[in-house]
Amino acid sequence: DTEVTQTPKHLVMGMTNKKSLKCEQHMGHRAMYWYKQKAKKPPELMFVYSYEKLSINESVPSRFSPECPNSSLLNLHLHALQPEDSALYLCASSPRDRPNTEAFFGQGTRLTVV
Amino acid sequence: AQTVTQSQPEMSVQEAETVTLSCTYDTSESDYYLFWYKQPPSRQMILVIRQEAYKQQNATENRFSVNFQKAAKSFSLKISDSQLGDAAMYFCAYRLLNAGGTSYGKLTFGQGTILTVHP
Repeated sequence: DTEVTQTPKHLVMGMTNKKSLKCEQHMGHRAMYWYKQKAKKPPELMFVYSYEKLSINESVPSRFSPECPNSSLLNLHLHALQPEDSALYLCASSPRDRPNTEAFFGQGTRLTVV
Repeated sequence: AQTVTQSQPEMSVQEAETVTLSCTYDTSESDYYLFWYKQPPSRQMILVIRQEAYKQQNATENRFSVNFQKAAKSFSLKISDSQLGDAAMYFCAYRLLNAGGTSYGKLTFGQGTILTVHP
C-alpha cells in the first residue's frame, strides 16, 4: 500500500464554519506534511509532523490547526477561514529514517471558502 | 536559503518527440537531493525521478533522465518518446540531506513548468 488518502476530495465552507480535512497512510511513515497549493503555483509547506510531534509550523495563521492523533492519521482543523484560503490542500508522508526517499502525496482536498 | 528556479513556465512537445525541462537551484550545501515531480490534472503529485547530489551518475527512469551538473547547480529533465499521458505540470524540488530538527522534511519547489503534449 503506497497510498496517501485524503478526505474529502472537495469541500465548500462558509467563513463561520468549522471543518476538518483528514489524511491517512499505512506505509509506516513517521513524517507527515500539510501543503497549501494555489492554482498553477508550487505547493507551500504549512506543517511538518515528525514522530507525531509538530516539528515545523511555517507561520501559518491559527485558523488552521493541525493534529496528528497517531502515526497513520493527520488532520487539519479549519475555523473562521477567509476566501483567500481557498486552495488545494495536499497531505504527504515520508519515512523519517530514510531522507532519500521521496514524499508520497495524496490527491488533495479542493477547498472553497464562501 | 535554498531557491529553485524553473525558467520555462510552459513547454510543448509533439508526441514521440523529446523535450527538456530546465531547473537551476542555489544552495551553499554539498549534500542534498533533487527531485522532479509531475502533477497531472488529477492533482496528485507523483515522483518522476530522484538524484542524490553525491552521485555523479545521472539518474534515469525509463523514458525520463536527468542532466545533473552540480558545479553549475543545474538539474534538467529529459523526456524521451513523449506520450499524451506526460502532459502535466512538472516541479523541480530540492531537499537537504542531513536536515534535522526544524529543517527536516522541507522540500523547496520551483515555480513549475506546464508541459503540453500534441498528438
